Parts: sequence; C-alpha cells; structure tokens
Amino acid sequence: EIVLTQSPATLSLSPGERATLSCRASQSASPYLAWYQQKPGQPPRLLIYDVSNRATGIPARFTGSGSGTDFTLTISSLEPEDFAVYYCQQRGNWPLTFGGGTKVEIK
Amino acid sequence: EVQLLESGGGLVQPGGSLRLSCAASGFAFSNYAMSWVRQAPGKGLEWVSTIFISGGTTKYADSVKGRFSISRDNSKNTLYLQMNSLRAEDTAVYYCAKGPDSSAPTGFDPWGQGTLVTVSS
Repeated sequence: EIVLTQSPATLSLSPGERATLSCRASQSASPYLAWYQQKPGQPPRLLIYDVSNRATGIPARFTGSGSGTDFTLTISSLEPEDFAVYYCQQRGNWPLTFGGGTKVEIK
Repeated sequence: EVQLLESGGGLVQPGGSLRLSCAASGFAFSNYAMSWVRQAPGKGLEWVSTIFISGGTTKYADSVKGRFSISRDNSKNTLYLQMNSLRAEDTAVYYCAKGPDSSAPTGFDPWGQGTLVTVSS
C-alpha cells in the first residue's frame, strides 16, 4: 500500500499569500497523483490530476508539481474561498489511498 | 450537468446491513468506472471500493473486503454498495464518485453530496 503523508497538517496564512502544500509517498506515485479541495459540509472537488493537470474550471493560481515520491500543491495567491482542507490521492496502486489532509486556515 | 445522488444511508445496529444507491445523470454512466469513498466524522477520506465498466472487475479496501459488495445497473444508471456485518467504525459519510479513469480527468470527478451511515446500538 502506498502511504501518502501530507505536511503541514495546518497552514495559517493571510489572503494574498502563497500556500505550499506537500504530499510525500512511501513509494513512487508518479504520475498518478491528484489533489482535492474540501470545504465544510461539502464533498471534495478535484483540483489537479496526474500531478500537474488542472481539472475543468480550476483557476490558474492552483499548480501541481513533483515526481517520484514528492509532490506539491501551490496556491499562488490565496483567495478567501481557498481556505479549506486539501487532500492528495494516488491511483497508481491498489488500494487507492489518500493523504491525511492539510487544512489551510486564515491567519 | 453531471450529477450523482446518493441515498440509503441511516442508523443501523452493529451487525446489520444497509444498501446505498447512487443515481447518476448527465454522462454515459456505462462508460466509466465508479467508486465509493467514505469519511468518518471529523476525519479524512478513505477509498472503499471501485467497480469497472462491465461490473466484472471490482476492488475493495481491506477494511471492508468480505463485508461490502459494490455493483452497478447500467440500464438504470445506478451504482450500489451493499454493506453487511456493519461495525461502529463504518460510521461515515459515504460518497459516490465517478472514476478513477485512464483518460482525463483521471481523478474522482465529480462527487455526490454523500449519505450518512451511522452504526450504533
């Protein structure tokens, strides 16, 4: 099983700041790594798939990067609606697994 | 518009059974793999099960293998999750999601609103 470890658990930032979220895999997850955003009371929403491809309708301020076992989601300039929990997920090996999540909160 | 609507959740006693349904619309349901993902209260996401196009191939998380069964009715555009021998640790919101797929977008997209399953005496 590929274990995904996200860091930090919580990121406290102000609107307009840059957010850098990390996802580390216990073995190679390239290129099958996705990122999701979840707001309270809502289902997750796909942001990025296959490491760096933005899903339909996702703003350009969201960028995915990385390879092998280290992946990053960058939000270039936080908007008020970006404060949420973010999960990484791999689909390269069964069982499919998610990281534990990073909460981006308003500082 | 692609829509997924789950139903069938509720309160069940430990050891009991429940069947969840997910009605799909707005896309060619029979052409896509479908999955169930759950989220325990206040916790993260856990993949539960995936069924491929024909329904002949299924995958399960170890935590539910032998107790849960995923199926689909392509004529009704509906996904199911039969849950038996339920345990307290199965308490969660269960989401239906389209995917994963080998063609873009390859992640789970979209997701339903979820249905809450509570296992308690």
